[in-house]
Amino acid sequence: EAGVAQSPRYKIIEKRQSVAFWCNPISGHATLYWYQQILGQGPKLLIQFQNNGVVDDSQLPKDRFSAERLKGVDSTLKIQPAKLEDSAVYLCASRRGPTDTQYFGPGTRLTVL
Amino acid sequence: DQQVKQNSPSLSVQEGRISILNCDYTNSMFDYFLWYKKYPAEGPTFLISISSIKDKNEDGRFTVFLNKSAKHLSLHIVPSQPGDSAVYFCAASAHLSGSARQLTFGSGTQLTVLP
Repeated sequence: EAGVAQSPRYKIIEKRQSVAFWCNPISGHATLYWYQQILGQGPKLLIQFQNNGVVDDSQLPKDRFSAERLKGVDSTLKIQPAKLEDSAVYLCASRRGPTDTQYFGPGTRLTVL
Repeated sequence: DQQVKQNSPSLSVQEGRISILNCDYTNSMFDYFLWYKKYPAEGPTFLISISSIKDKNEDGRFTVFLNKSAKHLSLHIVPSQPGDSAVYFCAASAHLSGSARQLTFGSGTQLTVLP
């Protein structure tokens, strides 16, 4: 079974630029999560999808961050415009059912200069 | 407000000895706890979990202990091996009405197992 795929793996941009990350969850996994992990901290949930609907986006900075999962499979996370403090690893995770383990992708390391 | 705390950012142990990683939580609604392991440039991988109805769960060299009254859990690795060197994250989960569970992570402990 293929794992959670993410791209790109690394991205360097200047502040005020835009960036987008892509995630392909494990086949059949209805729930998808995006996390932000700042250096030295644990992953922090940004948004949770159930199929193509948003379950929780209370911690997503909606003035600059947006995410979608239009067909209930792949998802994209966008930052526009980026700030220096957005430098972090962005992790995507998925799981099949509400009590199953979350499986994480390798993450995208974003550096904002 | 950190609901899940790992107060030791790093831990070094000799190969073959026991590694004990600690985690404290504050939210009484948490009823499921997990440990994830993370190698550099990889995503966290699930290691072991425990439900709040238990006080111990064992899987090979890994054992997780839960003390609900103290709101404390620990991960024991015995014997420790050099390949266990990684960052270990404690995570806690609470059931949210009408939705799947969410995880709250601690800040992680870097374990180094010395040969």
